[in-house]
Amino acid sequence: DIVMTQSPDSLAVSLGERATINCKSSQSILNSSNNKNKLAWYQQKPGQPPKLVIYWASTRESGVPDRFSGSGSGTDFTLTISSLQAEDVAVYYCQHYYRTPYTFGQGTKLEIK
Amino acid sequence: EVQLVESGGGLVQPGGSLRLSCAASGFTFSNSWMHWVRQAPGKGLVWVSLINTDGSTTIYADSVKGRFTISRDNAKNTLSLQMNSLRAEDTAVYYCVRGGTDGWYWGQGTLVTVSS
Repeated sequence: DIVMTQSPDSLAVSLGERATINCKSSQSILNSSNNKNKLAWYQQKPGQPPKLVIYWASTRESGVPDRFSGSGSGTDFTLTISSLQAEDVAVYYCQHYYRTPYTFGQGTKLEIK
Repeated sequence: EVQLVESGGGLVQPGGSLRLSCAASGFTFSNSWMHWVRQAPGKGLVWVSLINTDGSTTIYADSVKGRFTISRDNAKNTLSLQMNSLRAEDTAVYYCVRGGTDGWYWGQGTLVTVSS
């Protein structure tokens, strides 16, 4: 199984500051047919289902603010929120969809400092 | 707009059975791979099972293999999960998820509690 490891487990950032969450896969999740990485990021607020933020490692989902960006390739990936807003407080998960079993990172809890 | 509405959750005793359903709308259900993903209280996300567009391919996580069965009815736009031999560790919110390489879309979930 591909293991997804996020860091840090929790993060406190001041409003307007940058938040960075890292995700490492235990093996490459690069799709050779289109040279894109099969990685997604989800945002989950309390009592709500996960919401898609980023797919193909760097493609922002429609309607997601442009302060969210994804980067990385191979085994190392990053979700960046350029200027933290109060509504961004949530748990963020990375996930690979390279092959079954599809696995998620353990989650990173993002809070306001 | 993608809509996925789960139902069928509840309290069941260890060893019991439960059948979850998911009503899909707002997209072409018959063209979509579908998944079940679960989340134990206060814990992370765990993929459970997938089914391809016509139901000919199903795959399960090792933890549920032989106990859970995923199925779909494309005529009724419905996804199901039959859960047998339930254990305490199956307690979780179960999400119906529309799959795809352009990201996954999630229902609100239904809570399954396995307890005596």
